[in-house]
Amino acid sequence: SAVISQKPSRDICQRGTSLTIQCQVDSQVTMMFWYRQQPGQSLTLIATANQGSEATYESGFVIDKFPISRPNLTFSTLTVSNMSPEDSSIYLCSVEWTKGTEAFFGQGTRLTVV
Amino acid sequence: DQQVKQNSPSLSVQEGRISILNCDYTNSMFDYFLWYKKYPAEGPTFLISISSIKDKNEDGRFTVFLNKSAKHLSLHIVPSQPGDSAVYFCAARSVPFGNEKLTFGTGTRLTIIP
Repeated sequence: SAVISQKPSRDICQRGTSLTIQCQVDSQVTMMFWYRQQPGQSLTLIATANQGSEATYESGFVIDKFPISRPNLTFSTLTVSNMSPEDSSIYLCSVEWTKGTEAFFGQGTRLTVV
Repeated sequence: DQQVKQNSPSLSVQEGRISILNCDYTNSMFDYFLWYKKYPAEGPTFLISISSIKDKNEDGRFTVFLNKSAKHLSLHIVPSQPGDSAVYFCAARSVPFGNEKLTFGTGTRLTIIP
């Protein structure tokens, strides 16, 4: 199976700053997503990263706060902008090789905002 | 509104015995269900899935049962091993109607006692 690499794996950031998380897949994939897991909660979809066009955001998530890039079929970035302690979460990159079936995840980025 | 619910936040099982993890859903449009396992500091790993046209799917020690009328699914692990200690998430999606977003439960922490 393909390898999904995320970096950084963890970071501690000051409030008001921004962090960009990278996701690299070792094979081309059409469907790429970003999720958030807040402490003690389930995984929530932030957005679908669309190659060559703007990401599709879920309700409650906006581009100004979570800008996403997808320059090609193997790479995407998620930026968490103007961070506050409420943004402390695990952020996960996910891919699907067959639409509507299993999703596969990177190892996640644990973000702590102080 | 939590459409996928895992009502047991934790479960302890003796090594060698059966582990049964439960999941309930409220959205009758869901027709594809998945189980994921998550170790600390790692992303979720896909375990097993089931389509609504089946009521059982088996893969080695893992079996998923689906009761559509009760809107309930369960994951059976037999025999349980220490390496099975992890957080288990169930997830659901609706494929034919275009809402292909994965909806996750809040997870059950399984501890296997040697």
